[in-house]
Amino acid sequence: DTGVSQNPRHKITKRGQNVTFRCDPISEHNRLYWYRQTLGQGPEFLTYFQNEAQLEKSRLLSDRFSAERPKGSFSTLEIQRTEQGDSAMYLCASSSYYRQTGEKLFFGSGTQLSVL
Amino acid sequence: EDQVTQSPEALRLQEGESSSLNCSYTVSGLRGLFWYRQDPGKGPEFLFTLYSAGEEKEKERLKATLTKKESFLHITAPKPEDSATYLCAVQGESNYQLIWGAGTKLIIKP
Repeated sequence: DTGVSQNPRHKITKRGQNVTFRCDPISEHNRLYWYRQTLGQGPEFLTYFQNEAQLEKSRLLSDRFSAERPKGSFSTLEIQRTEQGDSAMYLCASSSYYRQTGEKLFFGSGTQLSVL
Repeated sequence: EDQVTQSPEALRLQEGESSSLNCSYTVSGLRGLFWYRQDPGKGPEFLFTLYSAGEEKEKERLKATLTKKESFLHITAPKPEDSATYLCAVQGESNYQLIWGAGTKLIIKP
């Protein structure tokens, strides 16, 4: 168990550019989540995969955001035509179910996006 | 609408000074209430899951309790390494996804 890995850790981009983030979940976990977090707030749900199927997207999520999880392994989150309001920490989590604790999310360290 | 409110926003304590953090929630049918700890620059780390009113969970200096309207995270004789933001989240029957509070930033001074 090497934990959830996210790359890059930091990304600075100019407004209007496209960016892509990668998440490598814990290998035996079949569920994968993307969240966005701004300073002083809790994580905000973006989207969720079970294996390779994207089962849910936030209704608030702009069409500029897209996520994939080919073959149910790693996942990518792409933001097209970035805006300054997209600046945030993007967190990935994978999960497993435990009898005593229920579903337990394991988070990566996130990708901090700054849009100039 | 499912909602989670945490208080206070920030709490400064002296080492050894016990206190409690509050998580008030509104949810249609609670499936679970979760506590996570988040250190600066890192993702949240799981602490506890509570499922029903009256349930309690303990881990080292932390104890989480649950009623029908709120949860408390009690910290006993805290140490500086307990400094972090503590996040609360709920999962309701009508919405599978977790609804998160804004967190309480806890600072323990030596």
